[in-house]
Amino acid sequence: SQTIHQWPATLVQPVGSPLSLECTVEGTSNPNLYWYRQAAGRGLQLLFYSVGIGQISSEVPQNLSASRPQDRQFILSSKKLLLSDSSFYLCAFSWGTDTQYFGPGTRLTVL
Amino acid sequence: GENVEQHPSTLSVQEGDSAVIKCTYSDSASNYFPWYKQELGKRPQLIIDIRSNVGEKKDQRIAVTLNKTAKHFSLHITETQPEDSAVYFCAASNGDSSYKLIFGSGTRLLVRP
Repeated sequence: SQTIHQWPATLVQPVGSPLSLECTVEGTSNPNLYWYRQAAGRGLQLLFYSVGIGQISSEVPQNLSASRPQDRQFILSSKKLLLSDSSFYLCAFSWGTDTQYFGPGTRLTVL
Repeated sequence: GENVEQHPSTLSVQEGDSAVIKCTYSDSASNYFPWYKQELGKRPQLIIDIRSNVGEKKDQRIAVTLNKTAKHFSLHITETQPEDSAVYFCAASNGDSSYKLIFGSGTRLLVRP
């Protein structure tokens, strides 16, 4: 069966510092991968999605970027964090269909 | 592009009553409609979904109905229990190779004991 992991689970970073969040999927090959952001008490905002290695589509222009160096690895990065980047970051995957399954998420606080 | 609207934003029901959450979508090409439940601090969990070739789907106390003509779909929870309290999100997908989902804004359901 497929499983999805995210780390770290929580992160506290100062403004202006870099960011790297990682997502990996097990038990499947060539999944579609997605990064979402969810502000406190709000809905799900799609940030990036990838249909294959090195293929990244951006949904919302901002100071974040994504990369997919391996088939089942998806990374969300920033060079300089803003206070407004504080949020709950969720990775998700789909495989062969449009059903998406979410990872446990990373709660990021920028101070 | 696709737009999904969800109502109500909050819903409070007495334990044992039914709850209904409604969503409308704009893109007639959308053909897949999942519902997710998110408990506080947790990830969204898929609870039920429906495809455009089906009008209704049921799983125990949960059902989803789809009206393609009117472009709306609804989640029905019967015999609600306190553990049903959570935020529920609807979504729509146009089924292209990206399999992107467009989410509604969420409904906070409170089931009063």
